[in-house]
Amino acid sequence: AQSVTQLDSQVPVFEEAPVELRCNYSSSVSVYLFWYVQYPNQGLQLLLKYLSGSTLVKGINGFEAEFNKSQTSFHLRKPSVHISDTAEYFCAVSLRAGNTGKLIFGQGTTLQVKP
Amino acid sequence: KAGVTQTPRYLIKTRGQQVTLSCSPISGHRSVSWYQQTPGQGLQFLFEYFSETQRNKGNFPGRFSGRQFSNSRSEMNVSTLELGDSALYLCASSSSTGQPNSPLHFGNGTRLTVT
Repeated sequence: AQSVTQLDSQVPVFEEAPVELRCNYSSSVSVYLFWYVQYPNQGLQLLLKYLSGSTLVKGINGFEAEFNKSQTSFHLRKPSVHISDTAEYFCAVSLRAGNTGKLIFGQGTTLQVKP
Repeated sequence: KAGVTQTPRYLIKTRGQQVTLSCSPISGHRSVSWYQQTPGQGLQFLFEYFSETQRNKGNFPGRFSGRQFSNSRSEMNVSTLELGDSALYLCASSSSTGQPNSPLHFGNGTRLTVT
């Protein structure tokens, strides 16, 4: 079975400071990795994805994430956050093998950017 | 391109009733999946349809069912509603192949409240 653990339920940070949202996963088979963001009263929007190749992936809105296979982690980072980045962030995995797009999500991390 | 459209946006039902939620995927997308989001359980996979066939199902009771039509539009139905079914129900569509490396595009969800 696969599981995703987001290590922080809430992350408060001041505007223009850097931030890291941590995600670890557990799987006996290879997975694809995703980060999604959810703004209040909205659905989820894809930030970035790791499929293969370079372990550092860049996404929208200045976010990037690094895949670390040995530590089974996929932490999300941004060098300087804005008030508008306040939202809930979800890490997710899908199985590489298998004919399905099913995602397994972590519990989410609420990023609260303070002025 | 229009995004994923879910209707209705909000719904209030009484215990014991049944409800049908609708989802129109992005044009050309053939895979549609449904997720339940609650504060306690987070995002949980309900089921996935591809070309009118259910190809994956989550761990939910039989009261939860769905279907997909030839135009890829999907509906999910919950019968004999319970208070615990109160949640945000999210629909997502992905590509023409619905493979695991295809990102999901989410609608804004239907907020179901059971009283």
